[in-house]
Parts: sequence; C-alpha cells; structure tokens
Amino acid sequence: GQNIDQPTEMTATEGAIVQINCTYQTSGFNGLFWYQQHAGEAPTFLSYNVLDGLEEKGRFSSFLSRSKGYSYLLLKELQMKDSASYLCAVLDSNYQLIWGAGTKLIIKP
Amino acid sequence: GAVVSQHPSWVICKSGTSVKIECRSLDFQATTMFWYRQFPKQSLMLMATSNEGSKATYEQGVEKDKFLINHASLTLSTLTVTSAHPEDSSFYICSARELKGRVEFFGPGTRLTVL
Repeated sequence: GQNIDQPTEMTATEGAIVQINCTYQTSGFNGLFWYQQHAGEAPTFLSYNVLDGLEEKGRFSSFLSRSKGYSYLLLKELQMKDSASYLCAVLDSNYQLIWGAGTKLIIKP
Repeated sequence: GAVVSQHPSWVICKSGTSVKIECRSLDFQATTMFWYRQFPKQSLMLMATSNEGSKATYEQGVEKDKFLINHASLTLSTLTVTSAHPEDSSFYICSARELKGRVEFFGPGTRLTVL
C-alpha cells in the first residue's frame, strides 16, 4: 500500500529552527510537495521537489532523498504566524497526490 | 502562484436542500480539478477527480449521485451537494492543476453548515 509518515505534532520556539520529517512509500514517484494549512483555511503550496537535494525559498527549505524515501521541511527564524499544519504529499505513478496526515507545528514565544 | 477561487465561502442551508459550490481557476487552464472534504481536526479527504469534458472519478465511499461534479470548461468545476443533511456539514475545498503541471493549487474552501 501507499504510505506517508510525518510526526503528528511539534513544538518550537519563536526565532528558532525546526525540521519536519516525512517518509514515504508509494507506487511510483513524480515529486514531493509541502503545503501549509492554517486552522480553518485551505492548504497553500510551499515547495515541490522531484530531484534529490535541497531547495531553498526564503526562510523555508525542502530536502529530498529519493533513495531513502525521505524529505524534510526546514523552517528558519520561526515566527508566530508559522503556527500551522504542514502537509507532506507525494505524486504517485498515476499522478495522484497521496497525502500525509500533516504535522501540527506550535510556536511558543 | 496560480489563483483558484471558490464561491461561496460559506453557506448555511436547511436539511434536504441542494447546494452548489463553484471552483474557478483564474489565471490558468485547469485540465484537472479535485474536490476535497475536511472535517474539523482531520486530514484532507479526496472526494473526486474531474477532468474537463469527462465524468468525474469518485473515491471509494463517496456517493456520486449525492455529490454531483461538473467540469464543463477549463476554468470551472462545480460540486453540487444534493439533499444535504447535517452530516454533510464540512469544509469543502477544490484544487486545480494545469495540463502537464504537477502542482495542485487550492481554492480558499467553502464551509457548509446544514441545519
């Protein structure tokens, strides 16, 4: 079966760095996505990785290792507004998006 | 990024009535659109995938006669919840993907409350 694992909840301090991990087992791979979802709102696109390595976009970076079935989202200089759920999703061989359950990130002052 | 709109943002209706939700891609042509449902504090649940000009593909357990999907043009898909009941109250979110694109861009969602 297809499976995406990420921690249920993480807590971090304002100004710090946090890394949210995601491991996956899917039938085929056409890319891995990270989305941010604030409570009561729809998800917003953060990043897309299809090749191994690190993609940096401002305070957010996303890493992919296809051989390990592993990705992480790195958030630097955390701000209170970063408190949200972070969703990892993989596009499988049928171009269907397989979603993780999401990681709820709590930022404390 | 691409912009997807949804209308209405929220709707309250009586049990037994039908509700139509519109999803539009504003600055790109969406050959594929997706409809999700999300209950409070739960994960996104894909309801159906629709390709422009063809019938929608429904996920297991989703009643196609209850949740009617029409994707009549490259910029518009509609979801009609027929004979809505209180258990249909949820957050309905659409997303869109352009031809040869891989990223799904989400609409802002529609909060449905059935009394």
